[in-house]
Amino acid sequence: EADIYQTPRYLVIGTGKKITLECSQTMGHDKMYWYQQDPGMELHLIHYSYGVNSTEKGDLSSESTVSRIRTEHFPLTLESARPSHTSQYLCASKGGYYEQFFGPGTRLTVL
Amino acid sequence: DQQVKQNSPSLSVQEGRISILNCDYTNSMFDYFLWYKKYPAEGPTFLISISSIKDKNEDGRFTVFLNKSAKHLSLHIVPSQPGDSAVYFCAASAGGTYKYIFGTGTRLKVLA
Repeated sequence: EADIYQTPRYLVIGTGKKITLECSQTMGHDKMYWYQQDPGMELHLIHYSYGVNSTEKGDLSSESTVSRIRTEHFPLTLESARPSHTSQYLCASKGGYYEQFFGPGTRLTVL
Repeated sequence: DQQVKQNSPSLSVQEGRISILNCDYTNSMFDYFLWYKKYPAEGPTFLISISSIKDKNEDGRFTVFLNKSAKHLSLHIVPSQPGDSAVYFCAASAGGTYKYIFGTGTRLKVLA
């Protein structure tokens, strides 16, 4: 059973606000990922981490930033939210096998 | 350019029949393929995977077939059940990069 958590599940916020989307996993996985998904579209990788203090940008350019200070925690921050950031954000982690485990997602709406 | 394509956005199947979901890829470096299922308002859950050294992998009602020469894989669900109604994504990775490229998904509806 995968244990990966995301908060909040839903967020409606005004333009210009700073937000942090939380992601935590209790499986001790080294690798963690953030994806962005719009309805009917593929999951786009925006950030990934191979371990503590290791973060890389993904294939889709994103104005968000991430940090990985602890193995279990991989928060994503938007300094100034805009309507174009409206999307679903999915966090995932991976251990020694190929499959990734996903959290439930955060649906962000920026007004 | 999309490296992983799921050309059927939706599929409807009668309960008890076979569901076949298709996925095509363009990058010959991909060597591992996965299928995920996603319900609304939830994250994707892993279903089944296949390595490029195999052409078939089976797990219960789910079987994945890989045709490397055609760069095509398919997921067969037999028999289909109403609880299988969800969006199915295929994903691919290359050479242990730990990065995955996802398709756009196929929405499966199993009719009771």
